[in-house]
Amino acid sequence: DAGVIQSPRHEVTEMGQEVTLRCKPISGHNSLFWYRQTMMRGLELLIYFNNNVPIDDSGMPEDRFSAKMPNASFSTLKIQPSEPRDSAVYFCASSYSGISGYEQFFGPGTRLTVL
Amino acid sequence: KQEVTQIPAALSVPEGENLVLNCSFTDSAIYNLQWFRQDPGKGLTSLLLIQSSQREQTSGRLNASLDKSSGRSTLYIAASQPGDSATYLCAITGNQFYFGTGTSLTVIP
Repeated sequence: DAGVIQSPRHEVTEMGQEVTLRCKPISGHNSLFWYRQTMMRGLELLIYFNNNVPIDDSGMPEDRFSAKMPNASFSTLKIQPSEPRDSAVYFCASSYSGISGYEQFFGPGTRLTVL
Repeated sequence: KQEVTQIPAALSVPEGENLVLNCSFTDSAIYNLQWFRQDPGKGLTSLLLIQSSQREQTSGRLNASLDKSSGRSTLYIAASQPGDSATYLCAITGNQFYFGTGTSLTVIP
């Protein structure tokens, strides 16, 4: 398996523009997570899905952020409008959620810079 | 709310030394604990996963232990190598998911 795939790897945009980050989880995994990593706040969970259904989005910073998972092999994280403080590395992770919990596997991340 | 702490924030050791990284958490109601390494500018690589019913897991030169009653996990690295230099993070799975802030390890040749 190719692992978790994220695109783009780097994104530079101007304030106010819409940004869409994409993630393809590992085949067979039924849980997907979006994280944001910054120097100031470390790794923060934004949202996670189980079987394509959002379970907990309490980490989504505000209404400018939205995430979708239309099927088991694809998810998007959208920021509209983007702001400079959204600059961070955004990671997607997937796992198989069984009774023993979650072992997460991370993608390489998308480095977002908002000017 | 679960709080996950990793001390020290940075550690520098000479090659060949055995070392221990610490992870503390405040809520013992966890499903599992996972250790990751992160190389600069890269994603997270899973090292070890310990289920809540387990006490330790081993992989090669790495050994992770879990003591839920005291809210502690340790990652033991034997015979450290320069290639072990990275940031090591612990992650707790409970009702939610929490990461520690990491320990930046430098192994000096």
